[in-house]
Amino acid sequence: DTQMTQSPSTLSASIGDRVTITCRASQSISNWLAWYQQKPGKAPKLLIYKASTLESGVPSRFSGSGSGTEFTLTISSLQPDDFATYYCQQYNSYSRTFGQGTKVEIK
Amino acid sequence: QITLKESGPALVRPAQTLTLTCTFSGFSLTTSGVGVGWIRQPPGKALEWLALIYWDDDKRYSPSLKSRLTITKDTSKNQVVLTMTNMDPVDTATYFCAHLFVMTDAFDIWGQGTMVTVSS
Repeated sequence: DTQMTQSPSTLSASIGDRVTITCRASQSISNWLAWYQQKPGKAPKLLIYKASTLESGVPSRFSGSGSGTEFTLTISSLQPDDFATYYCQQYNSYSRTFGQGTKVEIK
Repeated sequence: QITLKESGPALVRPAQTLTLTCTFSGFSLTTSGVGVGWIRQPPGKALEWLALIYWDDDKRYSPSLKSRLTITKDTSKNQVVLTMTNMDPVDTATYFCAHLFVMTDAFDIWGQGTMVTVSS
């Protein structure tokens, strides 16, 4: 089973900051990686799929990169609406795994 | 517009079987490339993928829970049903269903979730 490790677990940042979250897979998953944003009491929202493709309607300040085992989610200029928890999710060998999440807090 | 909604019991006793239903609209599970998955989230914890069923009735399960899970679809009712046997308090969580398209292999539309508590 492919394990996903996100870092950091918590991130404190200010409005306008550039924020980067990393996700590492225990084995190669090519580019089969998605990123989600979740706010308290809400369902997750898809941000990026296939490692770097922005979902329709998602602001362009979000971007994803990587392939193989190392991936990043970048928010180019943090906005008030971006304070949330972010999860990566892999697809490999017919199974799926989520990372443990990264909470982005106000500094 | 695609929507999904989960339904099922709010409280389940230990050792019982949980049956959850995902009722959806705006798409058909007979359309090539479409899937519906189940994901859960214990209070304050991370998301955990459980199962996925495709338009062609192919099914995938989390390896760690495979022995306890069954996923089925009823295309006439636009529903996907998940059963989980031998429930334990650690299975207390919010259970979500979500739409997936194989070209992206990501869960793009989610239901609101339903909270299930396992307690005697």
